[in-house]
Amino acid sequence: NAGVTQTPKFQVLKTGQSMTLQCAQDMNHEYMSWYRQDPGMGLRLIHYSVGAGITDQGEVPNGYNVSRSTTEDFPLRLLSAAPSQTSVYFCASSYSISGENEQYFGPGTRLTVT
Amino acid sequence: GENVEQHPSTLSVQEGDSAVIKCTYSDSASNYFPWYKQELGKGPQLIIDIRSNVGEKKDQRIAVTLNKTAKHFSLHITETQPEDSAVYFCAATLGYALNFGKGTSLLVTP
Repeated sequence: NAGVTQTPKFQVLKTGQSMTLQCAQDMNHEYMSWYRQDPGMGLRLIHYSVGAGITDQGEVPNGYNVSRSTTEDFPLRLLSAAPSQTSVYFCASSYSISGENEQYFGPGTRLTVT
Repeated sequence: GENVEQHPSTLSVQEGDSAVIKCTYSDSASNYFPWYKQELGKGPQLIIDIRSNVGEKKDQRIAVTLNKTAKHFSLHITETQPEDSAVYFCAATLGYALNFGKGTSLLVTP
């Protein structure tokens, strides 16, 4: 099992550019989520999904889009990058859709927007 | 939504001493409280969790206590070792969302 994989590991964008952060898991988990981690802020939930075709917003969804066409993949799209989106992004998955079980985190994507 | 406060933000202990990290939460409906450890350059990893119907849980050198009345829970690490140095996050689940505290940077000095 590869677990949760994220690509790329590092990315630099210019303001206004768009990009997609990739996330995949091979554990057949129904629940997947995206967090951003900023210094002194902990991890904040951006979007989550409880199964293919079902997504919902978390605490900080503005500026991000998600879709879930398969159980394995949960990409995060930045439509028009802004410096405020400079952060480390983590994808996570869990076998339980309730969120009340262990979440497995990927290694993260460090994004810088200039 | 749920608000999770975590203290202290930094903690330095000598090897062999105990470390305690405390968290409070705001919504009494929260019923699952995990603790994650994050090493430098890696994603968080679950180290222990507790559910609302349990007051204490132990796993070797790590223990978590929960006081539902006061809405606070704590992580206790005994006989600390240098490899315990990391950032620790508490969290509380409300519905589908996992709400994290801001983290505690623990440094264990030999």
